[in-house]
Order: sequence, then C-alpha cells, then structure tokens
Amino acid sequence: EAQVTQNPRYLITVTGKKLTVTCSQNMNHEYMSWYRQDPGLGLRQIYYSMNVEVTDKGDVPEGYKVSRKEKRNFPLILESPSPNQTSLYFCASSLRRNSNQPQHFGDGTRLSIL
Amino acid sequence: EDQVTQSPEALRLQEGESSSLNCSYTVSGLRGLFWYRQDPGKGPEFLFTLYSAGEEKEKERLKATLTKKESFLHITAPKPEDSATYLCAVQAKANFGNEKLTFGTGTRLTIIP
Repeated sequence: EAQVTQNPRYLITVTGKKLTVTCSQNMNHEYMSWYRQDPGLGLRQIYYSMNVEVTDKGDVPEGYKVSRKEKRNFPLILESPSPNQTSLYFCASSLRRNSNQPQHFGDGTRLSIL
Repeated sequence: EDQVTQSPEALRLQEGESSSLNCSYTVSGLRGLFWYRQDPGKGPEFLFTLYSAGEEKEKERLKATLTKKESFLHITAPKPEDSATYLCAVQAKANFGNEKLTFGTGTRLTIIP
C-alpha cells in the first residue's frame, strides 16, 4: 500500500531535549516536505527536499533541521525544542517537482513540548 | 504573499441537504488549486486538483469548480460519512521547484443523520 509513515504519532517531552520525528514513503517520490498545523493558521511549510541531499527552508524553518540521505526518508529534527513548537506535524511527498501529481500526507505527529 | 481564505469555518447540514464550501485565494500565478479532506487524527487526503478558471471536477457527491478568484466545493445530498474538515490549498507558479501548498484553515463539515 502506498503510504507516508510518520513516527512517533504522539510525543510529550520537555524543553531542550533533542528529538527526531521520522518520515518514510514507499512510493519512490523525489519531493518531500514538512508542515505544521496550528489552530487558526492552517498548515505551514517548515522545510522541503527536492531530492536526495537537496533541502531548503519553507516558511517557518526556525528551530528545525532536516536531512535527506536516502530517497525514502526525511526526518525532522528539533535540536532544542521549545513550547512554541507544540503542534501537529505532517510529512508529505509527491512524485517530483512539476509533475502535477498531488502530495500525499502522513497521518501526523502530535508534539507537546512542556 | 499567497493567501487562502475558506468559509464558513463550520457548517452543519442535515443528511441530504446540499450546500457549498467557499475558497477565496490570491496567488502570484496559479499553478493549481487543491481540495483535501481531513478526518480527525488523520492527514489530509487528496480530493481534486483544478488548474484553470472554468474547470470542474466531480467525485461521488462532491464537485469542485474554479474561477479566477475562488473555488467552490459543492456537496450534493451529503451523508454522515462526508463529515470531515475540507481544506483548500493553492500552489504558485513562482516557487521554483518548491511544491509548497498554501492552505486555508478549512471548513469543518458535520452531516446530521
């Protein structure tokens, strides 16, 4: 089954404790992206990757890092999480840029930073 | 700056009562307008892509239409299983390889049996 898988689905942690949210897709997609969803603000892009070893900032990248060492994986790293990063996070992927194919989303990771 | 506004924020309908959801947008050259459905605890699920004014797409009880300033998602004779949050998003031509979607905040649709 074609899917985007995120782990963990839920996490409660404390300020300053480094954490990684994993994202994996099994569709051989080149493009991957991270969004956060906050009430009243909609989904906003954090980082994106056009292919292996190619990443760039989205609209709200502060406090986050990403890496793309393999095509299927695109982890989101919070080096020193803060309470304002409490949010619902979604990973998305699509075939490649300009392919006119829709983005597929994972089921989300709910992070609470105390 | 690209912007998407959805209305209403929430809508309650009786089963079988047809209605429309609105998505108004401003974008620096529209590459595509997307409709997604989001159920509680799930990620957005793709419904439609519209590319140019006048285009229409249908899927079961849903029909999406597009003008130069807005899109409508028409729902005909809805059933309780159509209850969800419906998200509208635009993709701009000028993003140079970034497939970024700019989302609205959604319309929460509840269908009452």
